[in-house]
Amino acid sequence: EADIYQTPRYLVIGTGKKITLECSQTMGHDKMYWYQQDPGMELHLIHYSYGVNSTEKGDLSSESTVSRIRTEHFPLTLESARPSHTSQYLCASSDDRGGDTQYFGPGTRLTVL
Amino acid sequence: GENVEQHPSTLSVQEGDSAVIKCTYSDSASNYFPWYKQELGKGPQLIIDIRSNVGEKKDQRIAVTLNKTAKHFSLHITETQPEDSAVYFCAASWGSGGYQKVTFGTGTKLQVIP
Repeated sequence: EADIYQTPRYLVIGTGKKITLECSQTMGHDKMYWYQQDPGMELHLIHYSYGVNSTEKGDLSSESTVSRIRTEHFPLTLESARPSHTSQYLCASSDDRGGDTQYFGPGTRLTVL
Repeated sequence: GENVEQHPSTLSVQEGDSAVIKCTYSDSASNYFPWYKQELGKGPQLIIDIRSNVGEKKDQRIAVTLNKTAKHFSLHITETQPEDSAVYFCAASWGSGGYQKVTFGTGTKLQVIP
C-alpha cells in the first residue's frame, strides 16, 4: 500500500475563505500531482511537480496554486474559495525508478457553501 | 496531445460472469498502460499494467490485452465478485528522461450483482 496522505479528508467552508489542502508522501517520489475529480468520475490534472521548486499547471485551468518546498510535501491553496470549487481533490505521486505508476492519496472532499 | 476513450461508462454483470472494459488511445508514442480501481471514498489504486512491448498480461482473475496497431487495450475480469464493484480507469502514458505524460480515460462504473 502506498504511503501518501491527504488532509483534511472532508472540508466544508464558506465562500471567500482561504484554504490549504495538504498532501504528503513518504516514498521519496520526485513527481507529484493534483487532480480534480468530477461527480461524473473523470480525473482532471490541475497541477504537477517534477521535484523541489518545480510546479506546472495541468490540463484543466484552476484558480488554485501549489508549492513544492520539500520533496515529500505538495500543498494546494485556494486564496478565496467559491462554490464552483466544490469537488473531490486527489493527490498522487510517482517515481522514475518505479516506472510510471501513480500512487494516489485518499482524496479531500471540498464543499464551498 | 493524447486522447484516451473508455467504454462503457457503466457496466452491470452478474456475480461469476466476466467483465470487459475497453480503451483506445491516439498517440502512438504512448508506451505504458496502467489500470486503476477506485472504491468508494478512496483514491484510485493500480491493479494491473502493461507496457508496449507486451501483448497480454494476467494476474489471477484480471488480465489486460494491448493491440498497438489498433491502439486499443482492454481489461478483463473473470469470475466477478461483489468486491469488484468500483470505478475503473484506464490510462496511457509516455515519458522519457524524467518527463512523463499520463492521460486517463473517463472511467467505468462496474456493478457486480450478487
